Amino acid sequence: GAGVSQSPSNKVTEKGKDVELRCDPISGHTALYWYRQSLGQGLEFLIYFQGNSAPDKSGLPSDRFSAERTGGSVSTLTIQRTQQEDSAVYLCASSTTSAQGYTFGSGTRLTVV
Amino acid sequence: KQEVTQIPAALSVPEGENLVLNCSFTDSAIYNLQWFRQDPGKGLTSLLLIQSSQREQTSGRLNASLDKSSGRSTLYIAASQPGDSATYLCAVSSGGSYIPTFGRGTSLIVHP
Repeated sequence: GAGVSQSPSNKVTEKGKDVELRCDPISGHTALYWYRQSLGQGLEFLIYFQGNSAPDKSGLPSDRFSAERTGGSVSTLTIQRTQQEDSAVYLCASSTTSAQGYTFGSGTRLTVV
Repeated sequence: KQEVTQIPAALSVPEGENLVLNCSFTDSAIYNLQWFRQDPGKGLTSLLLIQSSQREQTSGRLNASLDKSSGRSTLYIAASQPGDSATYLCAVSSGGSYIPTFGRGTSLIVHP
């Protein structure tokens, strides 16, 4: 596609429920990144996928968070047993190589009530 | 570990002023530095990308410079307009990882 697509754009869920957030990167982009942006905070790195390599999961805040990338394209970020502190905007970015910079999606605003 | 700092955190100026936003980073072994704009409730829009071998990049009224030795980048906005009001973020890729590290941003308001 022309840009990075994220869905849903907004998600309200009850505490304790599981949620799945989807990212569809730009076609041909081998690298994919997930970030979290809490209210008034900077961007917090979550996870990085590069081609068929094992993902860099060093930013995931707890074992309730997981992500996968199928066929080197679409990625899903899953949050299990959501907590109120998980409320944030979840942003996805993709790139061809680092030299070409990063393109971000519009994000998913997650609200846990 | 790379650390990125942006100063000032917030800025309010009258329309027409020329502005300088600052970004500093602790590890000078960078691959590139990218400036983004974020409007309220929106994602990030790329403004300028500077490779480690470059000193500056220009796009319209925007000019970004890079000084690796001092660990600094500046974003210059000429003749500011109310439509420039947004948060400006600096992101640095470095240290063997292609994962960009972001500053906290500068929140800019340009009033008519």
